[in-house]
Amino acid sequence: DVKVTQSSRYLVKRTGEKVFLECVQDMDHENMFWYRQDPGLGLRLIYFSYDVKMKEKGDIPEGYSVSREKKERFSLILESASTNQTSMYLCASTGTGKNIQYFGAGTRLSVL
Amino acid sequence: AQTVTQSQPEMSVQEAETVTLSCTYDTSENNYYLFWYKQPPSRQMILVIRQEAYKQQNATENRFSVNFQKAAKSFSLKISDSQLGDTAMYFCAFMKRTSNTGKLIFGQGTTLQVKP
Repeated sequence: DVKVTQSSRYLVKRTGEKVFLECVQDMDHENMFWYRQDPGLGLRLIYFSYDVKMKEKGDIPEGYSVSREKKERFSLILESASTNQTSMYLCASTGTGKNIQYFGAGTRLSVL
Repeated sequence: AQTVTQSQPEMSVQEAETVTLSCTYDTSENNYYLFWYKQPPSRQMILVIRQEAYKQQNATENRFSVNFQKAAKSFSLKISDSQLGDTAMYFCAFMKRTSNTGKLIFGQGTTLQVKP
């Protein structure tokens, strides 16, 4: 079975802190995604990566950056956390040419 | 650009009854996939069912089936014999068939409560 692991289920940070959300997948997938989930808005794509060191902006990249130094790991970085970044963050992965995404359990981030 | 709309924020159904969740989408693409994903409370999102747009036959997975109306751009999910374990948020999603990256566009989600 595909396993996508997000390093934290719950995270509480202060405004202005630098925040790292980590995601690891064990299926050698080329493509990895970071979504933000908010009530009434569904899942919105922040960034995705289609290969090591390759990334593309999604629909809401402002305030976020990403890092993909190894194929299995995709990190989401909040350079200076703000209260409006309080949300649930979901990581997902899929193989090239495949059409099913596999999701992590999510990280619920609170920025105070 | 593609959009996906789920107009029912919340629904409820009695155990063993049937419920239908609605989804509409907008696209100029002719070849694409449509999905229903399920997110149980505090658990991982998983795929429920997938439909390929070029297939006229509606997809079925056990108690889950879809009503795919390509001309109307409608993709509803029917859950038969609802079970307590079906309580979850359900997301409708769209993917272009030509996508190598597997990029999905999601609807807003429908929270389904199955009542005993």
